[in-house]
Amino acid sequence: GAVVSQHPSWVICKSGTSVKIECRSLDFQATTMFWYRQFPKQSLMLMATSNEGSKATYEQGVEKDKFLINHASLTLSTLTVTSAHPEDSSFYICSARDGGGGNIQYFGAGTRLSVL
Amino acid sequence: AQSVTQLGSHVSVSEGALVLLRCNYSSSVPPYLFWYVQYPNQGLQLLLKYTTGATLVKGINGFEAEFKKSETSFHLTKPSAHMSDAAEYFCAVSDLGGGNKLTFGTGTQLKVEL
Repeated sequence: GAVVSQHPSWVICKSGTSVKIECRSLDFQATTMFWYRQFPKQSLMLMATSNEGSKATYEQGVEKDKFLINHASLTLSTLTVTSAHPEDSSFYICSARDGGGGNIQYFGAGTRLSVL
Repeated sequence: AQSVTQLGSHVSVSEGALVLLRCNYSSSVPPYLFWYVQYPNQGLQLLLKYTTGATLVKGINGFEAEFKKSETSFHLTKPSAHMSDAAEYFCAVSDLGGGNKLTFGTGTQLKVEL
């Protein structure tokens, strides 16, 4: 099946710093990628839809200036958590839509962010 | 708007027993339905999907699910549980084949006991 690589898998940062998370589709092109956030023992909440070459679409309640999304190529989307605070600590997961393979979303392994 | 309800946040079965994880959905358009599995500290892996056609869908690892429109259900089953099946399972619905937004249920933690 299609592979989505997410990096880093785990990051610890100081409060006030920014963290960038990468999501790559390794064997297919993805015009659309999605970013989710998952709190412990809870489901995935969609944060934003990332479209190649255009601005991301954010879900209601998600601060676009805090969670910067860039989708500069058909295989890479990045999520930057700016001025991170402890409440931003969470598990972030990306997915990429394989438009040529049944329109299925394939998920990365996730990034655990801990803000001290 | 779409929504997914997973009854039972925790399900425990004995190894070799039947696994039944329940999922009910609501959708104003014909739904596309998915089951994903998540192991600790990992992303989601697609188990199976229903788009159109045959309502009984077979997936990986011996799992299957049946789409029942009249009951708005998409329950996940496996005849014989294995220890390696212990994980979190998420049911999800989408309106256009999963390429568009997925709405997830709250998940069911499956525990398999000896």
